[in-house]
Amino acid sequence: AQKITQTQPGMFVQEKEAVTLDCTYDTSDPSYGLFWYKQPSSGEMIFLIYQGSYDQQNATEGRYSLNFQKARKSANLVISASQLGDSAMYFCAMREGDTGRRALTFGSGTRLQVQP
Amino acid sequence: DTGVSQDPRHKITKRGQNVTFRCDPISEHNRLYWYRQTLGQGPEFLTYFQNEAQLEKSRLLSDRFSAERPKGSFSTLEIQRTEQGDSAMYLCASSLVGRGTQETQYFGPGTRLLVL
Repeated sequence: AQKITQTQPGMFVQEKEAVTLDCTYDTSDPSYGLFWYKQPSSGEMIFLIYQGSYDQQNATEGRYSLNFQKARKSANLVISASQLGDSAMYFCAMREGDTGRRALTFGSGTRLQVQP
Repeated sequence: DTGVSQDPRHKITKRGQNVTFRCDPISEHNRLYWYRQTLGQGPEFLTYFQNEAQLEKSRLLSDRFSAERPKGSFSTLEIQRTEQGDSAMYLCASSLVGRGTQETQYFGPGTRLLVL
């Protein structure tokens, strides 16, 4: 079973509009962390935002916010006021547990294209 | 603040040759991860180190792959007898060990390998 599912292979958004990138996850561990990364065409993975499973509030970092719905096991990334430089691949990732496996499990990504 | 660096950025080799990649983590980070990313997919975990100890290896890491982190600083990933299926982006990430799941991994620019 997929641990991280990103159902949108590609998304388009107009500059200055907001966009939501979907991510659902699957884990039986009560403690986990969810991450979003941006990967421009240059290849480097850039950390955007983090949400812990016990966090009471949705995470925000500048124009990025995470819509965390624990019961639905979803962690959607919201980008407000899109900019041309936001065009990139976006990956959702999860780490499970406090002391177990430390590696991240990634989804297959969503390619976002911001149009002027 | 210097980020994660990787060398070389690109490598073209012939099938059957050995290749070695280097990763220099963020200086105070004690964990170092290797991932592999094929076209259209998210990164997949290969192995990770805490200081100089290799603590986990993925089943993706066949006998032809070996990784070292001899002094707990830089790391090398060697692929022996390369195969065309090894063609991928090899990503290195580093992190500072912390409590719980909010251990953020910071990625380097990757080494893109093409096996002819």
